Amino acid sequence: DAKTTQPPSMDCAEGRAANLPCNHSTISGNEYVYWYRQIHSQGPQYIIHGLKNNETNEMASLIITEDRKSSTLILPHATLRDTAVYYCIVRYNTNAGKSTFGDGTTLTVKP
Amino acid sequence: NAGVTQTPKFQVLKTGQSMTLQCAQDMNHEYMSWYRQDPGMGLRLIHYSVGAGITDQGEVPNGYNVSRSTTEDFPLRLLSAAPSQTSVYFCASYPDPGAPEKLFFGSGTQLSVL
Repeated sequence: DAKTTQPPSMDCAEGRAANLPCNHSTISGNEYVYWYRQIHSQGPQYIIHGLKNNETNEMASLIITEDRKSSTLILPHATLRDTAVYYCIVRYNTNAGKSTFGDGTTLTVKP
Repeated sequence: NAGVTQTPKFQVLKTGQSMTLQCAQDMNHEYMSWYRQDPGMGLRLIHYSVGAGITDQGEVPNGYNVSRSTTEDFPLRLLSAAPSQTSVYFCASYPDPGAPEKLFFGSGTQLSVL
């Protein structure tokens, strides 16, 4: 699986968009980009994933660059409950339970 | 639905003791995994199972054993606890290896080894 690099921490004002970057310069053609988050001490929660195209669901949007070497997770209107550790994972679309979760980005949403 | 249930929630062991962390799921998922999370770090895969009777090692398997005699249960055994095994342990289950949105985690077991 390709290695990812994320900033260790970020702040965001409540109600504003939170943009979380992830670098994955060694990604291969068939590897997907996945995002999960972990709130406080709970187990990780799936957010979104994509291969090449930008994706959007009820939680967030995922923007993947054309060369696929980086991506950005966008929370359009961050709330205090979005304060969490966000993990960017790159791997093949097989065996979700073998995901390697790096150190992630700690997002703090401030009032 | 209970989902993924882990017991106990907290445990303190002395070095050299053995114990079993329990994980049970009621969603009839074929796939299950065990992770550990050290303070301030991400999750690392210990062992995983792709069905009853089938297990394999993950990234950090040393010091841990698993078995999968039923679809529902996936216990993690610490053979001789060491302070380096102080961590939070998460169990996960999922029905489809290619469906990341269906990866369900338990609430974790916080283990301290003195």
